[in-house]
Amino acid sequence: EIVMTQSPLSLSVTPGEPASFSCRSSQSLLHTNGYYLLEWYVQKPGQSPELLIYLASNRAPGVPDRFSGSGSGTDFTLKISRVEAEDVGVYYCMQALQKGTFGPGTKVEI
Amino acid sequence: HLVESGGGLVRPGGSLTLSCAASGFSFSAYWMSWVRQAPGKGLQWVADIKQDGSVKFYLESVEGRFTISRDNGKDSLYLHMNSLGVEDTAVYFCARYSSGGSCVGFDLWGQGTMVTVSS
Repeated sequence: EIVMTQSPLSLSVTPGEPASFSCRSSQSLLHTNGYYLLEWYVQKPGQSPELLIYLASNRAPGVPDRFSGSGSGTDFTLKISRVEAEDVGVYYCMQALQKGTFGPGTKVEI
Repeated sequence: HLVESGGGLVRPGGSLTLSCAASGFSFSAYWMSWVRQAPGKGLQWVADIKQDGSVKFYLESVEGRFTISRDNGKDSLYLHMNSLGVEDTAVYFCARYSSGGSCVGFDLWGQGTMVTVSS
């Protein structure tokens, strides 16, 4: 079983400032197709989760370009270049290499 | 859209079947999954099923108790849950997994249905 960890577990941010979240997997998420099967989701208060980033670094359709994903192997990062008030929520990384495992989430507050 | 139903209160050891009605897309073209969220907790993948129902995967703790199934003729996904325990109390989300085209990942989610296991 692949175990996912995230840090920090909570983060207080200032609108207009950047933010960064870390995600680590217990084994490499590199698929034989050459892609890293790592996704980022956000769950805003009272809502269902939404896909932000797929294959570690690709923005999902409609996701603002202030969101970016990077990383390789077992270490991945989600960055928000300039936080907006609407970005409040819990950010989860998820590995899709072996079944599915979510990280514990990073709660973002303004 | 994805609309879940079937949640409710059930006694420990009991059974429940969740349904998810899909609309607005070609249901039979997608892997489908169930993801749950215990009260105040994070997301937990539960199970998924291939487009034609021939391949299924389960979270280890539900294997043998839960069965995922689908009816492509009815554009519906199901989760049959047996031997329920208090640890299964959660909101259960139905989610579509896209694996090509515009993105890869759970790109469509339902609003969730609450399952409470309590005596």
